Amino acid sequence: AQSVTQPDIHITVSEGASLELRCNYSYGATPYLFWYVQSPGQGLQLLLKYFSGDTLVQGIKGFEAEFKRSQSSFNLRKPSVHWSDAAEYFCAVGPPSGTYKYIFGTGTRLKVLA
Amino acid sequence: EPEVTQTPSHQVTQMGQEVILRCVPISNHLYFYWYRQILGQKVEFLVSFYNNEISEKSEIFDDQFSVERPDGSNFTLKIRSTKLEDSAMYFCASTRAGGRRELFFGEGSRLTVL
Repeated sequence: AQSVTQPDIHITVSEGASLELRCNYSYGATPYLFWYVQSPGQGLQLLLKYFSGDTLVQGIKGFEAEFKRSQSSFNLRKPSVHWSDAAEYFCAVGPPSGTYKYIFGTGTRLKVLA
Repeated sequence: EPEVTQTPSHQVTQMGQEVILRCVPISNHLYFYWYRQILGQKVEFLVSFYNNEISEKSEIFDDQFSVERPDGSNFTLKIRSTKLEDSAMYFCASTRAGGRRELFFGEGSRLTVL
C-alpha cells in the first residue's frame, strides 16, 4: 500500500540550530516528492519539490531536501533555524502521471526556542 | 503571483444543513482537487476533477459530497447534509497540465458543524 511516514510528531530546536525532518515513503515506483509547510490557521505552502535528477533539491526559506532512493526517504533540512520557521511540515508524494493524487504524511510540528 | 482562493474562510453550520465551499483555481490550471484536514490529523484526498468530471475520489467522498465547476472559473464542493464528523479544514488545489507539476493549495475553508 502507498504511504508516507513522518516518524517525528513534534520536534523542538533552538533558534540557530540545524534541523532535519524525516520522511519515508512506500510507493510502487519513484514518485514525485514534496514538502509543504503550514503555519497555524494557514494554508499549505510548497517548500520544495523533487521530480527527478539531482537528488539534493533547494527550496524556499533556506530549506533543502535529499532524495535517497535506497532508503525511500526525502528528508528536509535547514542549517540554521529561525523562530519564524515554527510551523507544521508535511511530506507528500504523488504519482508522475494520472490524476496526481497526493498522499500526505501525518506532519511534524516544529517548535523553535528563542 | 497567481494563487488559489477559497471562500468562505470559516463557516459554521448546523448538522443536516447543506454547505457549499467555493474555490477559484489558478486560471490556466486544468486539474482541480479537494482535500480535507480534520483538526490535528493529516491532509486527506477527497476528489480530483478534470475535463468537467470526477477523475478519482476517495472512500470519504460519499453520496453526501459533490463537486462542480459551474462557470469555468469556480470550483465548488457541496456537502448535502452535514454531519458532525464533516468538521474540518477543506483545501482546494489546482495544477496545470503536463508533467513535473505540483499542486497549489488555497488557504482553506474551515467548516464547523454543530
